[in-house]
Amino acid sequence: QSALTQPRSLSGSPGQSVTISCTGTSSDVGGFDHVSWYQQHPGKAPKLMIYAVTKRPSGVPDRFSGSKSGTMASLTISGLQAEDEADYHCCSYAGTDRNLIFGGGTSLTVL
Amino acid sequence: EAQLVESGGALVKPGGSVRLSCAASGLTFTNAWMNWVRQAPGKGLEWIGRIKSKTDGGTADFASPVKGRFTISRDDSKGTLYLQMNSLRIEDTAVYYCTTGSWGIFHAFDVWGQGTTVTV
Repeated sequence: QSALTQPRSLSGSPGQSVTISCTGTSSDVGGFDHVSWYQQHPGKAPKLMIYAVTKRPSGVPDRFSGSKSGTMASLTISGLQAEDEADYHCCSYAGTDRNLIFGGGTSLTVL
Repeated sequence: EAQLVESGGALVKPGGSVRLSCAASGLTFTNAWMNWVRQAPGKGLEWIGRIKSKTDGGTADFASPVKGRFTISRDDSKGTLYLQMNSLRIEDTAVYYCTTGSWGIFHAFDVWGQGTTVTV
């Protein structure tokens, strides 16, 4: 099962905005509005930040936003803060055969 | 507050077996579709399987790399999820998480356990 494609690493300065891309195909990202994003700090379990492309679970700051265009989804973090330094994983529903596909993860560094 | 606690991680030889458990609390376990997600060292997350609630059929689906080797079961009376892993391979070495989505969250997971490590 092919993973979704994410940049391996990104960096930004405090206060800046960064956008993490997640590229799939018409069979996953492009075919369903079920893209989710997870934040993971070292040694910790993932935390859901965005689901259904644009929705934020209760408690997630509105600095985090999601979008999708065609077969590419994006997570944008505005007003970058030190605690945003973490790995970010995208995930897409891919139908009843493949179910859920994750990206390889992006390591975000706050300079 | 919903909580999931995995256990059963072990060091096992290739070809061996291990059973992981996941104890749930603070959520309506009987209605939950429960999933297992793993993370190999230094790698991304990988969905490996899910079991539906009994009211939705109770069937399980698996990702290709583990199909035919892993099974998922649930004991709703104990609020516990299981992952039986057979014919283990070196590439099955990972942290294994059980996870689920709260009501209204589909194909995404907002409740995670702390993970348990399987080393093959």
